Amino acid sequence: EAQVTQNPRYLITVTGKKLTVTCSQNMNHEYMSWYRQDPGLGLRQIYYSMNVEVTDKGDVPEGYKVSRKEKRNFPLILESPSPNQTSLYFCASRIGTSGGRETQYFGPGTRLLVL
Amino acid sequence: SQQGEEDPQALSIQEGENATMNCSYKTSINNLQWYRQNSGRGLVHLILIRSNEREKHSGRLRVTLDTSKKSSSLLITASRAADTASYFCAGWGSNYKLTFGKGTLLTVNP
Repeated sequence: EAQVTQNPRYLITVTGKKLTVTCSQNMNHEYMSWYRQDPGLGLRQIYYSMNVEVTDKGDVPEGYKVSRKEKRNFPLILESPSPNQTSLYFCASRIGTSGGRETQYFGPGTRLLVL
Repeated sequence: SQQGEEDPQALSIQEGENATMNCSYKTSINNLQWYRQNSGRGLVHLILIRSNEREKHSGRLRVTLDTSKKSSSLLITASRAADTASYFCAGWGSNYKLTFGKGTLLTVNP
């Protein structure tokens, strides 16, 4: 089944404790991205990657890191989480970057609470 | 900054009625997409309309796009309780980013 998976789905952590949220897609998609969703703000893009070893900042990259060593995986790293990073996070992927015509497929979301 | 702004923010209708949601965007787009999100779940792609298209249909969905006004509308006909969800428009710009609006919360009462 074609899908985007994220782990963990729920996470409670404390300020400053490094964490990684994994994202994996099995559709051989080139483009992957991370969003956070907050009440009243909609979805905002954190980082995106157009291919292996190619990543770029989205609209709200501060406090986050990503890596794209393999095509299928795009982990989101919070080196020193803070309470303002409490949010619902979505990973997404799409086929490629040409023309912008393809749709994005979203993972189920990771709900993060930073105490 | 948000690419899209949905209107209204919340809409409550009775089952069987039509629901219309509007979206305005700021910059040029290659295409505009509509997504649905059930409470706390992932987003599901509904329909994509390209910048050179004016109207598109998919089942009970009808989307229009007016690039001169930088606006789009999503019409759901004969709504069902299962259509209750948040609906987002998202514009795909030339910078390879898909930028979302804040969404319209649709409630369909049985």
